[in-house]
Amino acid sequence: DGGITQSPKYLFRKEGQNVTLSCEQNLNHDAMYWYRQDPGQGLRLIYYSQIVNDFQKGDIAEGYSVSREKKESFPLTVTSAQKNPTAFYLCASSPPSGQQFFGPGTRLTVL
Amino acid sequence: GQQVMQIPQYQHVQEGEDFTTYCNSSTTLSNIQWYKQRPGGHPVFLIQLVKSGEVKKQKRLTFQFGEAKKNSSLHITATQTTDVGTYFCAPRPPDSNYQLIWGAGTKLIIKP
Repeated sequence: DGGITQSPKYLFRKEGQNVTLSCEQNLNHDAMYWYRQDPGQGLRLIYYSQIVNDFQKGDIAEGYSVSREKKESFPLTVTSAQKNPTAFYLCASSPPSGQQFFGPGTRLTVL
Repeated sequence: GQQVMQIPQYQHVQEGEDFTTYCNSSTTLSNIQWYKQRPGGHPVFLIQLVKSGEVKKQKRLTFQFGEAKKNSSLHITATQTTDVGTYFCAPRPPDSNYQLIWGAGTKLIIKP
């Protein structure tokens, strides 16, 4: 069954802690993306990767970091430097010039 | 960076009425994609428009791409409760194979 998985679905974090969000795809897509969505808002690009071992900053990369060691995996770390991390985080993948396929998302709450 | 304006932000309709959302860019686009996000869910791809003046239909949904490739619209005829959600346009700039520019979305609300 092909698709994108994200875990966990809900995540709670104390202020000052780093947290890593998982994203895995078995669609054999080269490109992967991380977006942030705040309530009632659109999607804002955090990071994207066009190929293994390479990634680029999006519009709101400050306070976040990523790695792309495998084609299937693109984990996102929300660091303590991110001032307002409570949000809905969406991971996606795509073929070149194609549609983006999204995972179910992770809702992060900072306590 | 490049931006796109999507209007309206919300549209309240009675079930059975029509719904339209518009997407406008100040620059020429390579193509444009449309997505739907149900409440609590993730965006799901609806369609991609590529050609100038293109019109595509999916049952009650009609998608248009402007002649100048700077604007697009989505029209839903005779809305149903299953249409509830937020509709996003996501244009692709000419110099990118991967990045999309996401509109703020139009939320379709069915009046009780």
